[in-house]
Parts: sequence; structure tokens; C-alpha cells
Amino acid sequence: EAQVTQNPRYLITVTGKKLTVTCSQNMNHEYMSWYRQDPGLGLRQIYYSMNVEVTDKGDVPEGYKVSRKEKRNFPLILESPSPNQTSLYFCASSGLAGATGYEQYFGPGTRLTVT
Amino acid sequence: AQKVTQAQTEISVVEKEDVTLDCVYETRDTTYYLFWYKQPPSGELVFLIRRNSFDEQNEISGRYSWNFQKSTSSFNFTITASQVVDSAVYFCALSDFSGTYKYIFGTGTRLKVLA
Repeated sequence: EAQVTQNPRYLITVTGKKLTVTCSQNMNHEYMSWYRQDPGLGLRQIYYSMNVEVTDKGDVPEGYKVSRKEKRNFPLILESPSPNQTSLYFCASSGLAGATGYEQYFGPGTRLTVT
Repeated sequence: AQKVTQAQTEISVVEKEDVTLDCVYETRDTTYYLFWYKQPPSGELVFLIRRNSFDEQNEISGRYSWNFQKSTSSFNFTITASQVVDSAVYFCALSDFSGTYKYIFGTGTRLKVLA
């Protein structure tokens, strides 16, 4: 089954404790991306990657890191989480058609709470 | 700069009414893609439709239809004879060839269909 998986689905942590949210896709997609969803703000792109070892900032990259060492995996790293990073996070993947003309497939989401 | 505006934060309709969700976008590029996604109460994000900037044909899929007008930079979504199962948050999104591979989402419109 074609899918994007994220782990963990729920996470409660404390300020400053490093954490990683994993994302994996089995569709051989080149493009992967992370978003955060906050009430009233919609989905905002954090980072994206066009292929292995190629990443770039979205609109809200501060406080986050990513890596793309393998095509299927795109982990999101919060080195020193703060309460303002409490949010619902989605990973997504798609093929590359020209720019990004393919629709994205989304993971189930990770609800992160930082206290 | 790219921007997607969904001015309707929340809409409530009674079952079987028609409803239109508005989406207005901004981009300097002449080549771009527009998307609609649905997020039902269960939380997953589901792709509904993609349209490229060279294709202004309206599209109908069952009870759903989309009206793309470049002259007004709008890509509106109409649900005919709404049903309770249509209750969800709907997002409009844009990607273009502006030199980045970003996706820009609107803030979403929450549709409540009352029985």
C-alpha cells in the first residue's frame, strides 16, 4: 500500500529536549516536505527536499533541522524545542513534475506538545 | 510573493444546499499549479484536484466542481447538494516556478454541513 508514515503520532516533551520525528514514504517520490498546522494559520511549510542531499527552507524553518540521506526518509529534528513549536506536524511526499505539479501524499500527522 | 487567501474561515450550511469555497491566489509566475485538499474531522489530508495555469477549463466531478479564472486569480470550489460527510476543513494551495519548490497553503475554510 502506497503510504507516508510518521512516528511518533503523539509526543509530549519538555523545553530543550532534542527530539526527532521520522517520516518515510514507499512511493519512490523525489519531493518530501514538512508542514506545521496551527489554528487560524493553515498549513505552513517548514522544509522541503527535492531529492537526496537536497533540502531547502520553507516559510517557517526557524528552530527546525532536516536531513535527506535516503530517498525514502526525511526526518524532522528539533534540537531545542520550545513551547511555540507545539503544533500538529505533517510530512508529505510527491513526484516532481516540472516544479511541483504533482499532488502531495500526506502522513497521518504528529501532534507535538512542548511544555 | 506567493500568497493564497481563503477569506471564509467557517461556513455552515444545511444539508442539500449548494456551497462555494473561495480561493484567491497571488503569484508573479505565469506557470503554476493550484490544488484543493480536504481534511475531514479524522485529521488526514486528502487531495481533491490539481489545475495548472494553462488549463482554465472548469471541472466537475460528481457533486464537486471547480471554477478557475486567471483574470481574477481565483480557483473556487463548489459542492452541490452538500452532505454531512462533506463537513471538513478545505485547503487551497499553490506551487509555481518562481525559483523555489515551495507549496503555499491557504488558511483553510471549515465547512459544517448540518443535517
